[in-house]
Amino acid sequence: EAAVTQSPRNKVAVTGGKVTLSCNQTNNHNNMYWYRQDTGHGLRLIHYSYGAGSTEKGDIPDGYKASRPSQENFSLILELATPSQTSVYFCASGDAGGGAGTLYFGSGTRLTVL
Amino acid sequence: GDSVTQKEGLVTLTEGLPVMLNCTYQTIYSNAFLFWYVHYLNESPRLLLKSSTDNKRTEHQGFHATLHKSSSSFHLQKSSAQLSDSALYYCALSDHGGANTGKLTFGHGTILRVHP
Repeated sequence: EAAVTQSPRNKVAVTGGKVTLSCNQTNNHNNMYWYRQDTGHGLRLIHYSYGAGSTEKGDIPDGYKASRPSQENFSLILELATPSQTSVYFCASGDAGGGAGTLYFGSGTRLTVL
Repeated sequence: GDSVTQKEGLVTLTEGLPVMLNCTYQTIYSNAFLFWYVHYLNESPRLLLKSSTDNKRTEHQGFHATLHKSSSSFHLQKSSAQLSDSALYYCALSDHGGANTGKLTFGHGTILRVHP
């Protein structure tokens, strides 16, 4: 069964601190994505990757970096966390499939920045 | 760029009544792929159904939707709501403009609450 695992499930950080959110997938999908979910905004794309070593900016990349060291792992990094980055973050994997590929989501990480 | 509009933020229904969640989209590309994802509380969002074929009904788990390119719509329907249908529903549009990234543009989501 397709599996995307995120860690941690919950994180409390201080303003100005560094936060790393991790994602691991066992689907052997080339593409991975980081979205944040906020009421009134839905799911918004932060960064994505085509494969190991690649990262691309999504629709709201400011304040975030991403790292894809391997096919399986994709991290989201907040170098200087701010309260506006308090949100639920979802990682997903998928194959492009000509646009018809399904995304498989992890369980989410709830981040609170104080 | 691409955009998806879900005009209802919250839909509240009595069990047994029909469900209709609205989704319209904007894109410059003719080969649109549209999706409905469902997000149950304490679970991961997952695909409910998808379509790229104009005027063809797509069904899954009692829900159905028909892509109408003439009106840029992909409304989600169900004939009879169940309590277990209570969830957050996202309409989404794929990135199909040649880059083939597979990334989706999501609407803001519609919360469906079904009560007895």
